[in-house]
Amino acid sequence: TQLLEQSPQFLSIQEGENLTVYCNSSSVFSSLQWYRQEPGEGPVLLVTVVTGGEVKKLKRLTFQFGDARKDSSLHITAAQPGDTGLYLCAGAASNFGNEKLTFGTGTRLTIIP
Amino acid sequence: DAGVIQSPRHEVTEMGQEVTLRCKPISGHDYLFWYRQTMMRGLELLIYFNNNVPIDDSGMPEDRFSAKMPNASFSTLKIQPSEPRDSAVYFCASSLFLYGYTFGSGTRLTVV
Repeated sequence: TQLLEQSPQFLSIQEGENLTVYCNSSSVFSSLQWYRQEPGEGPVLLVTVVTGGEVKKLKRLTFQFGDARKDSSLHITAAQPGDTGLYLCAGAASNFGNEKLTFGTGTRLTIIP
Repeated sequence: DAGVIQSPRHEVTEMGQEVTLRCKPISGHDYLFWYRQTMMRGLELLIYFNNNVPIDDSGMPEDRFSAKMPNASFSTLKIQPSEPRDSAVYFCASSLFLYGYTFGSGTRLTVV
């Protein structure tokens, strides 16, 4: 069973600050996805990374996949209240396609106006 | 596309009753997943289907849980009999090969 540990579990910061959350595993993943979940809704896909060392940017969000494809990070620049939510990483073990994702434990982010 | 549609949004039932959760995936998606989310255990995969065929049901807690996908546009998750520890938010998600999941809004189940 692959486990994905996310840290920190909770993070509360002021609007305008920068932050980084982490997703770590002892297993290698063929791809890794990041989702954001708001209260009362399902997770929404933000990005998929597939290559070790890959960096993707989505406006103020920067995602990085570790060289060994065991870990990932999400950096948010100048956080805004709209960034508040539960951030989940999810790893795919299969090389054959979608198959099943293992979800991380989540980081609950609160941005204080 | 309306996205993944789940019903009901909320369900409150008494212990011992049968509960049926419903999901309509996105048209054209070939994978369908059922997840359960709790504060203690996070998102847990219960079962998933590929082209309507169950592929992995190792996450189904016990025989009280069953899932079906009679066609490409409909799936059900049934709990019979329900117990208080089944209280959680149940999500259905669908996806197309190699792409990310699209989740429904979930069904919040409370068993009293």
